[in-house]
Amino acid sequence: AQKITQTQPGMFVQEKEAVTLDCTYDTSDQSYGLFWYKQPSSGEMIFLIYQGSYDEQNATEGRYSLNFQKARKSANLVISASQLGDSAMYFCAMREGQLGYSTLTFGKGTMLLVSP
Amino acid sequence: DAGITQSPRHKVTETGTPVTLRCHQTENHRYMYWYRQDPGHGLRLIHYSYGVKDTDKGEVSDGYSVSRSKTEDFLLTLESATSSQTSVYFCAISESRTSGPGELFFGEGSRLTVL
Repeated sequence: AQKITQTQPGMFVQEKEAVTLDCTYDTSDQSYGLFWYKQPSSGEMIFLIYQGSYDEQNATEGRYSLNFQKARKSANLVISASQLGDSAMYFCAMREGQLGYSTLTFGKGTMLLVSP
Repeated sequence: DAGITQSPRHKVTETGTPVTLRCHQTENHRYMYWYRQDPGHGLRLIHYSYGVKDTDKGEVSDGYSVSRSKTEDFLLTLESATSSQTSVYFCAISESRTSGPGELFFGEGSRLTVL
């Protein structure tokens, strides 16, 4: 079974609108972390936001927020007020356990296109 | 920006030849990783290192070996390249989680084509 599932291969949104990118995860660990990365067409991987499994509040970073629903094992990324520069591939990833290192497992990604 | 340099950035090689990709960091981070990215697969972990001379296998380690003789360098070697190893390879580093969420910082990637 896939540990990280991103069911939306592609998403379209108009500039200034909000968009939600879906991510569900599968783990039996109590301690885990969820990450979102952005990969623009230039290819670099940019860390966006992190949610720990014990964090009670949803993580927010500027226009990015993580809608964390632990019982449903979902960690959706919400981008508010989309901008043209948000057009990119977005990856959800998970770290399991309490080890000091982060062997992240990534989903297959969602391509987001923002139109004017 | 994290100081991570990958070399070479682009390489074309032939089946059966050895290839070594280098990752160099200036951040003194303990942990280093090699991922490959392929369409439809996201990023998959090849090998990782949790210290000098301490390495372990990831999800897709067959056909790859690694070495870490210094904190700053992590080498990925394809002993005999195959066409299935055509991919974009990313090096990443992270600090210990005691100082944060332990997010990965990625290099710019190395595009390898095996003909």
